[in-house]
Amino acid sequence: GENVEQHPSTLSVQEGDSAVIKCTYSDSASNYFPWYKQELGKRPQLIIDIRSNVGEKKDQRIAVTLNKTAKHFSLHITETQPEDSAVYFCAASIGSSASKIIFGSGTRLSIRP
Amino acid sequence: GAGVSQSPSNKVTEKGKDVELRCDPISGHTALYWYRQSLGQGLEFLIYFQGNSAPDKSGLPSDRFSAERTGGSVSTLTIQRTQQEDSAVYLCASSLMGRGMETQYFGPGTRLLVL
Repeated sequence: GENVEQHPSTLSVQEGDSAVIKCTYSDSASNYFPWYKQELGKRPQLIIDIRSNVGEKKDQRIAVTLNKTAKHFSLHITETQPEDSAVYFCAASIGSSASKIIFGSGTRLSIRP
Repeated sequence: GAGVSQSPSNKVTEKGKDVELRCDPISGHTALYWYRQSLGQGLEFLIYFQGNSAPDKSGLPSDRFSAERTGGSVSTLTIQRTQQEDSAVYLCASSLMGRGMETQYFGPGTRLLVL
């Protein structure tokens, strides 16, 4: 079946450094790729998304890149801050409708002061 | 405006009992999703309601799990004869449908503990 793999499962970076989280997907029809952030004890919230007609999208310190040929996409956080500490989930749509998405297993990001 | 709400926020039950979890989606959202999140784990898809179409139940782990969505709004997830492995946070999300409107908004979840 369709799946999304996410790496690494845990990531620790020095405050101010960059963090990169990578995901691969299996459904060649996937065309919508959101990223969610979940702080401890809270609900997941969308932080950025990208569609298959673009290769990169940026929003301040956050960027996402997409390589449709290789079926992988990545989240880049620059100039990390303590409030970036959370679990990050990538996801990919199943089929072309983008209505159903499958989540990766999550990356626990810790920012060291 | 009001976001997605879920009730109860916490539920403790005994093994073998049935439980009902409720989700109130954002008004006007035609798509509704249920996920399960075990401690420290990812989001496991359970079921998806899309407008008036038949629900996608492909993620339900067993026939003890069922869900309804009445009137295209409120949804109830029912777990019959609960087992200890059902203990998890059950998250509901809703979204609009159509390109550019796929963002899923999550509720706060129901934390279920089966003793």
